[in-house]
Amino acid sequence: KQEVTQIPAALSVPEGENLVLNCSFTDSAIYNLQWFRQDPGKGLTSLLLIQSSQREQTSGRLNASLDKSSGRSTLYIAASQPGDSATYLCAVRSQAGTALIFGKGTTLSVSS
Amino acid sequence: GAVVSQHPSRVICKSGTSVKIECRSLDFQATTMFWYRQFPKQSLMLMATSNEGSKATYEQGVEKDKFLINHASLTLSTLTVTSAHPEDSSFYICSARAVAGTENTEAFFGQGTRLTVV
Repeated sequence: KQEVTQIPAALSVPEGENLVLNCSFTDSAIYNLQWFRQDPGKGLTSLLLIQSSQREQTSGRLNASLDKSSGRSTLYIAASQPGDSATYLCAVRSQAGTALIFGKGTTLSVSS
Repeated sequence: GAVVSQHPSRVICKSGTSVKIECRSLDFQATTMFWYRQFPKQSLMLMATSNEGSKATYEQGVEKDKFLINHASLTLSTLTVTSAHPEDSSFYICSARAVAGTENTEAFFGQGTRLTVV
């Protein structure tokens, strides 16, 4: 059964710092991996989607990498801002059309 | 990106009553919808997978008679929490997948429903 783990559970950084969030999954046979942002009491905002054949995806200050063989993904946030404060969720889809399996998330706090 | 609308965003109900949550795909047809539940400080846990025109598939430990799912059309799925109790208080969120042929699309999520049972 696929399990997704995110480390650290919480992270506090000063504004401007670059940071890395980690995600690992137990079954490397995934279809794709997706990173989301969740603000308190809100729904999910999709940040980046990486297909199993891809190594990384970039959007603005965000870069997500995927190493399927080792079962790992990282989300790199450059020049962090207070507005980046949120919980970041990593989720994997094992097969096309199946549901996403989520990690517990990393709660990020960026102080000004 | 595609839009999934979930309603209501918040609901407070009395213990023993039933609550219906709607999930609509606004600009695409969704053959499959997924229902998740999220308890405080926990991750999203899949409750059930709903395919249009057929019975939902429930995850282990989720009571199908308590959480009724209907997916009668390609744009609407509903989750009814029957005889709700305080332990059912949670954040419920739906996700929709477009029709076959678009397998690489992202997962589109509704805004979520905060259910509080008093």
